[in-house]
Amino acid sequence: QIQLVQSGPELKKPGESVKISCKASGYTFTDYAMHWVKQAPGKGLKWMGWINTYTGKPTYADDFKGRFVFSLEASASTANLQISNLKNEDTATYFCARECTFGYFDYWGQGVMVTVSS
Amino acid sequence: IQMTQSPSLLSASVGDRVTLSCKAGQNINNYLAWYQQKLGEAPKLLIYNANSLQTGIPSRFSGSGSGTDYTLTISSLQPEDVATYFCQQYNSWTTFGAGTKLELK
Repeated sequence: QIQLVQSGPELKKPGESVKISCKASGYTFTDYAMHWVKQAPGKGLKWMGWINTYTGKPTYADDFKGRFVFSLEASASTANLQISNLKNEDTATYFCARECTFGYFDYWGQGVMVTVSS
Repeated sequence: IQMTQSPSLLSASVGDRVTLSCKAGQNINNYLAWYQQKLGEAPKLLIYNANSLQTGIPSRFSGSGSGTDYTLTISSLQPEDVATYFCQQYNSWTTFGAGTKLELK
């Protein structure tokens, strides 16, 4: 069955970096784009961007240009999100989500809670 | 494209017919999905392309609408439907609505 399994919760200090992984199984990884979505505590869903899992090309939403990097370990069917120079406002749950052909997200990872606190 | 959901909070009783609204800032050509998110869980796809039911989703859920105005309907509310519901447009990049929290009266 199709699964997206993300790495565990993270506790970081401001200015540090974090790398979150999303391991896909049950389908051909390079056939579907992978998206990243942020959800701050008690808030809604905010689209961060996506990565073409065939070419490795990332595309970032305007609010996520600069400190955010999407990458792949295609041989391991894994997508990664790295956030550098962490700020308090980066405290959130980060989801990976598989894009179905038309643009909606049919499978989601379980989410990774990142807490940034001094 | 801005997506506006209403109401932000909805209280209803078991068995009620429930209607949630999502309005887009411009025509999104039916490129609209609905997700259900229960507390502490990832969102789950319910409806795509405005009115197509995702495999495995109960038939009490349905979607309708066109242009800028879309609706998610639950024909007979069940206790397990307590959740927050988000709409998403994917006509131009993608954006989510702020959500409707559905609770039992």
